[in-house]
Order: sequence, then C-alpha cells, then structure tokens
Amino acid sequence: DTGVSQNPRHKITKRGQNVTFRCDPISEHNRLYWYRQTLGQGPEFLTYFQNEAQLEKSRLLSDRFSAERPKGSFSTLEIQRTEQGDSAMYLCASSLVTGEAFFGQGTRLTVV
Amino acid sequence: AQSVTQLGSHVSVSEGALVLLRCNYSSSVPPYLFWYVQYPNQGLQLLLKYTTGATLVKGINGFEAEFKKSESSFHLTDPSALMSDAAEYFCAVSDLAGANSKLTFGKGITLSVRP
Repeated sequence: DTGVSQNPRHKITKRGQNVTFRCDPISEHNRLYWYRQTLGQGPEFLTYFQNEAQLEKSRLLSDRFSAERPKGSFSTLEIQRTEQGDSAMYLCASSLVTGEAFFGQGTRLTVV
Repeated sequence: AQSVTQLGSHVSVSEGALVLLRCNYSSSVPPYLFWYVQYPNQGLQLLLKYTTGATLVKGINGFEAEFKKSESSFHLTDPSALMSDAAEYFCAVSDLAGANSKLTFGKGITLSVRP
C-alpha cells in the first residue's frame, strides 16, 4: 500500500470555474477526512466519511462545496464557482475507526 | 469543543541544541493528542500521539512529548536538533471519546535549525 493518494497535486483555475479533487485512501481504512489549509494556518476540518456515509460537515463547507465517497473507497471534493478565497491546500486523510489519521500530500488550488 | 494553542509561530535553534515546541489544548472530554510534522509542499506526517496510559510519549526522529493534564499541555521536545528537523510542526487534539475523530489543529510552529 502506498498510502493516501491525492490528485491532482496542483490545480490552477480561473475564478468561477468548477474543480474536482480526488482522494484514494489506504485500502482498509473506513474513515476519510477532508481538511483545508491556508498559508500560515493549521489544517481546518471540512468533512468526513465513514464508509460511504458523510457523518459531519463543517460550517466552513459552503453550498459551493460538495464531497462524495460513493462506494466507500475513493472520495471526491468538488468546488463550484471557485473564488479567490478558495485558494488553499486541500488535504485528505484516512484512518480506521479508532486509529490515527494518515494524510496525503494534498492538492494545492490556486484561483486566479 | 476542542481547541489548540501553539505559542509563537517560529522557533530557531542551533544544530545540536534542545528543541521545545509548546502546545496547550482545551477539550471537554479526555483528549487524544498528536504532533504532526509538515515539510514544504508535503502532507502531514505523524510524529507521535498520546491516547491513554504513559504520559511521556516517544515518537520518530528522537522527538518526545509529555501529556500534563494539570497544565493542559502537550509540549514537544527533541534533545538534539538536526538540520533535517527544520519543518513546520502542528499540535492537534481529537475527540476520540466521542462519535467522531476529526482533528483540531493549532496554527503550527516553524522550526529553523542553524548550523
């Protein structure tokens, strides 16, 4: 197992465009988390799944954001009508129910 | 609700010197505590964690941290800094006593190591 994989690593998009990121967790992990990290800050929780069920969403996750984990394996995070304030590193992590989280290398989004 | 305070944003030490990175937390339930390290343009790597039991926790790369409930602290130390320790360090708390285990992170501390 190669760990948590995120694609793409970098994304530059024009304001108003939609973007989608993908996260492939460690295969036996049933929990998957999305975090957002802006420059000079720690990661902030966005949402998490247990298997295919989305169990919690942060108030940071506006209506323009949607996350899915359709078969309890990989997950996608979509941002519609991107804004410059969406520019950040988007981190995915996975874990067993009672284990620590393992993070991917992140997707860096730049909205121009 | 959980929160983490990391005092100071930048620590600079000489190679071979003691490293002390401070972390204080607030939690409504017995906390699970973590230190993560992040190298430039990389994800986060777990250094060490405290769940229950022994309050002095040893991690990778010579780092250790001590959980002090009376002080609500989980400070990270390394007795002898290496140049390769230069990175950003995040303290985090998790409510694993509850139904979810999302992490609440501090703002991070950048560690610089001088030759």
